[in-house]
Amino acid sequence: IAGITQAPTSQILAAGRRMTLRCTQDMRHNAMYWYRQDLGLGLRLIHYSNTAGTTGKGEVPDGYSVSRANTDDFPLTLASAVPSQTSVYFCASRQVPNTGELFFGEGSRLTVL
Amino acid sequence: SQQGEEDPQALSIQEGENATMNCSYKTSINNLQWYRQNSGRGLVHLILIRSNEREKHSGRLRVTLDTSKKSSSLLITASRAADTASYFCATDPFNDYKLSFGAGTTVTVRA
Repeated sequence: IAGITQAPTSQILAAGRRMTLRCTQDMRHNAMYWYRQDLGLGLRLIHYSNTAGTTGKGEVPDGYSVSRANTDDFPLTLASAVPSQTSVYFCASRQVPNTGELFFGEGSRLTVL
Repeated sequence: SQQGEEDPQALSIQEGENATMNCSYKTSINNLQWYRQNSGRGLVHLILIRSNEREKHSGRLRVTLDTSKKSSSLLITASRAADTASYFCATDPFNDYKLSFGAGTTVTVRA
């Protein structure tokens, strides 16, 4: 089934550890996004990529980095995790500028202790 | 800061009633979209309305857009228990593909 795959589904992490959340899409979309969702705050954009080889900062980029080496993969890395990064992380993709609809993964729940 | 803000934050209705939620935003947009999220799941796209459109329908969904007031509304008619979910508006700006979401409206439909 075509779509977005995120891994891991859930992870508990000690503060200070490095963590990479993986995201893979098979729809050949050019644009990919990482959002974090926190209760009462909705979804906030962390980083995005409009095409392979380019990335940009969203609303809350500090403490996170991304890379876009190819069309399909868009990993999100926390270099040194802190408790405030406890959240649910969603990866999404779409084709720009032709369509507006975002397709979402099922999320990665991260707890930093 | 987030572009869209939904109102109300939460809504509880009886099955068969209509549910209306509103979204206000701050800057010019190319289009506005509504998404649904069931508990513990990813968001699913419901409907998109472009800046030159005023109203759009999809099944039991009706979306309006007033660009002069920078606001949109989502109406779900004849609600069902399965409509229980959180609903988010998202704004898509011109020449910038960063889609921004509001905090959402949590809808509970009582059987």
